[in-house]
Amino acid sequence: EAGVTQSPTHLIKTRGQQATLRCSPISGHTSVYWYQQALGLGLQFLLWYDEGEERNRGNFPPRFSGRQFPNYSSELNVNALELEDSALYLCASSLGQLLLNTEAFFGQGTRLTVV
Amino acid sequence: ILNVEQSPQSLHVQEGDSTNFTCSFPSSNFYALHWYRWETAKSPEALFVMTLNGDEKKKGRISATLNTKEGYSYLYIKGSQPEDSATYLCAPNSGGYQKVTFGTGTKLQVIP
Repeated sequence: EAGVTQSPTHLIKTRGQQATLRCSPISGHTSVYWYQQALGLGLQFLLWYDEGEERNRGNFPPRFSGRQFPNYSSELNVNALELEDSALYLCASSLGQLLLNTEAFFGQGTRLTVV
Repeated sequence: ILNVEQSPQSLHVQEGDSTNFTCSFPSSNFYALHWYRWETAKSPEALFVMTLNGDEKKKGRISATLNTKEGYSYLYIKGSQPEDSATYLCAPNSGGYQKVTFGTGTKLQVIP
């Protein structure tokens, strides 16, 4: 069974551009979570999607947005890129809406570098 | 957003030594706590999900305890091996907000 897959693995963008990151959850998982790990910091919660709807978002500006498609895959968009957006972006999926008593399964991440 | 603290930030131990580290979190509105292991160049993998005060979970040489009243969890590794080298992340769940907040992790290096 395929795990959570993310693409691209690496992405280099110029300040002011837009970046699009993609995530395919484990088959059957309806919830997708996005996290950011900037250098020296812990994982910061970005967004949670379930059944195509945005359920929650962390303390990030509106230029961080995304969506979940009918097949439960998800896209994270970062507009007007800033240098401090350089980070590892991790996607995770879980079975069902809640993460409370289920595990999150993570992808290997997309390393975004803004120059 | 929960204030989650993990200590120490990094740790070097000799092969065969036992070790432990701590995850501290606000004790109010607690629902569950997750421990993950994140090896370099791999994805974080779930170790344990703990929900009840006094919970103790074990997987091989790794075990964890939970104190929800005082807001901490300990992770223990008995007889550390080089393959235990990883960053260990804890992630308490604030329940009502339905999101998991990760700590910055404890980076463990086991020296052969």
